[in-house]
Amino acid sequence: AQRVTQPEKLLSVFKGAPVELKCNYSYSGSPELFWYVQYSRQRLQLLLRHISRESIKGFTADLNKGETSFHLKKPFAQEEDSAMYYCALSGRDTGRRALTFGSGTRLQVQP
Amino acid sequence: DTAVSQTPKYLVTQMGNDKSIKCEQNLGHDTMYWYKQDSKKFLKIMFSYNNKELIINETVPNRFSPKSPDKAHLNLHINSLELGDSAVYFCASSQEGLAVSYNEQFFGPGTRLTVL
Repeated sequence: AQRVTQPEKLLSVFKGAPVELKCNYSYSGSPELFWYVQYSRQRLQLLLRHISRESIKGFTADLNKGETSFHLKKPFAQEEDSAMYYCALSGRDTGRRALTFGSGTRLQVQP
Repeated sequence: DTAVSQTPKYLVTQMGNDKSIKCEQNLGHDTMYWYKQDSKKFLKIMFSYNNKELIINETVPNRFSPKSPDKAHLNLHINSLELGDSAVYFCASSQEGLAVSYNEQFFGPGTRLTVL
């Protein structure tokens, strides 16, 4: 079975502060990990995927297989980063492409 | 230009009614999905279709019946609606295959269903 855990429902920081959104997963095979973001009144969209090792909007996430984590980080938060963030996993090796989502973390960046 | 579209955006109906939500994607993808987002914002897979064939059915009541007339469409029909069906339903699509190492899913805007 695959499982994604996001321990924080809400993370509130001030503009310019560092941000870390936690994500831990449970999966016996080789997972694909993603971060999706949902801005207010907008659709869910892909922010990052572990396989591409890129930085999007200043966010980065590193897959740590030893700790089974995929935390999302940004050194300096901006107000426009306020949104709902979902960590998600796909079982690439099982052919199960549907995403298993964490429960989401709402990021609030205050001015 | 909308990649994944859903209709309607809002649906308010009485308990016991039957309703449908439509989804269309113009990305040429071969796999489509339905997800349910409950009141606590938790997102969970309901169904997945690949080339019009059902490949995932996640312990969803029989009252929910997906229908895929072609690769670009995946509709969701719900019979005998219950209060607990109130949620936001998201359609998504992706392209599968050995050549595709990613699994980026493109989501629709969601349909907010309210059952009274």
